[in-house]
Amino acid sequence: DAGVIQSPRHEVTEMGQEVTLRCKPISGHNSLFWYRQTMMRGLELLIYFNNNVPIDDSGMPEDRFSAKMPNASFSTLKIQPSEPRDSAVYFCASSLSRYTNYGYTFGSGTRLTVV
Amino acid sequence: AQTVTQSQPEMSVQEAETVTLSCTYDTSESDYYLFWYKQPPSRQMILVIRQEAYKQQNATENRFSVNFQKAAKSFSLKISDSQLGDAAMYFCAYRGSEKLVFGKGTKLTVNP
Repeated sequence: DAGVIQSPRHEVTEMGQEVTLRCKPISGHNSLFWYRQTMMRGLELLIYFNNNVPIDDSGMPEDRFSAKMPNASFSTLKIQPSEPRDSAVYFCASSLSRYTNYGYTFGSGTRLTVV
Repeated sequence: AQTVTQSQPEMSVQEAETVTLSCTYDTSESDYYLFWYKQPPSRQMILVIRQEAYKQQNATENRFSVNFQKAAKSFSLKISDSQLGDAAMYFCAYRGSEKLVFGKGTKLTVNP
């Protein structure tokens, strides 16, 4: 099992540009989560999907952020336009279900820097 | 909303010694799960140990154990025989009926 795969590992972009982060969950996992990690706010849940359907996007900070899960093996988090305050590490995680008692399996994260 | 508090931003321990990291949480739910995650400099989030709230017995995984006090809403992590590889950020997390909520983390330094 390759685990949760995120790409790119690092992304540096200029303010105003569109940024797309990608995630491939573990095969067979039905739930997918996007988290953002910053020094000030820690780990925040942005959005999560169950069976490819968005369940809770209350953590998405602004309309500039959007997420999709077109199929069970792929999800994207897009920021358009990007701003310097979006600089953070973005994690994708997956689990067998959102009610699992086994926690979530995390990807290695994407470090986003917006200059 | 559930909250998780880690009151120790930083801790240090001598190699081979024991250290305890604190965590408290706030919830009105009776059925939930608690977790400790480790994040080394590689930034990978690694599940260390988990505890079901309905179980009175404290979870143990090799050198890692927890002290779960349900009434006090406390969930501390004890690391025995600390090793240099234990140096990392440690996050306490809560999951009830909904999403996984994390504390702000404790940075653990292991001194040789």
